[in-house]
Amino acid sequence: SQTIHQWPATLVQPVGSPLSLECTVEGTSNPNLYWYRQAAGRGLQLLFYSVGIGQISSEVPQNLSASRPQDRQFILSSKKLLLSDSGFYLCAWSAWDTQYFGPGTRLTVL
Amino acid sequence: DAKTTQPPSMDCAEGRAANLPCNHSTISGNEYVYWYRQIHSQGPQYIIHGLKNNETNEMASLIITEDRKSSTLILPHATLRDTAVYYCIVRGPMDSNYQLIWGAGTKLIIKP
Repeated sequence: SQTIHQWPATLVQPVGSPLSLECTVEGTSNPNLYWYRQAAGRGLQLLFYSVGIGQISSEVPQNLSASRPQDRQFILSSKKLLLSDSGFYLCAWSAWDTQYFGPGTRLTVL
Repeated sequence: DAKTTQPPSMDCAEGRAANLPCNHSTISGNEYVYWYRQIHSQGPQYIIHGLKNNETNEMASLIITEDRKSSTLILPHATLRDTAVYYCIVRGPMDSNYQLIWGAGTKLIIKP
């Protein structure tokens, strides 16, 4: 069966510091991969999606970037975090049309 | 913007059926209705999806009206562990890579 991992589970970072969140998927090949952000009490906002290695599409302009160095690895990065980057970050995968989500990373920028 | 409208909150007694409504009056012919739920501080969990026929799985049933402008998610025998935020989502077409457009959802509270 398929499994999706995210780490770390929680993260507290100062404003201006860099960020790297990692997501890996097991049990499937060539999945579509997605990064979402969720503000408190809100629905999910799609940030990036990828249909293959090195292929990234951005949905929202911001100071975040994403990379897919391997088939089942998706990384969310920032060179300098802003206070507004705080939130719950979720990675998801799909093999065709249904998306399945990881446990999420709660990021607090102080 | 979200293409669905849901009540912000609902209560249901434990052991009873929970019926969660969703309006999607602008849905296109090739767009699916998806339901997810999110327990506090966890990632969303997929429940069920459908196009125009009613669907049932081990978790829930999905009833879609004939005009496809609304649907109802039914949890047949609600338990305390079903307390969560339930999201009704219209999934975009293949050329948008099946983007999910999320609203605020319905907070369902199951009471003992």
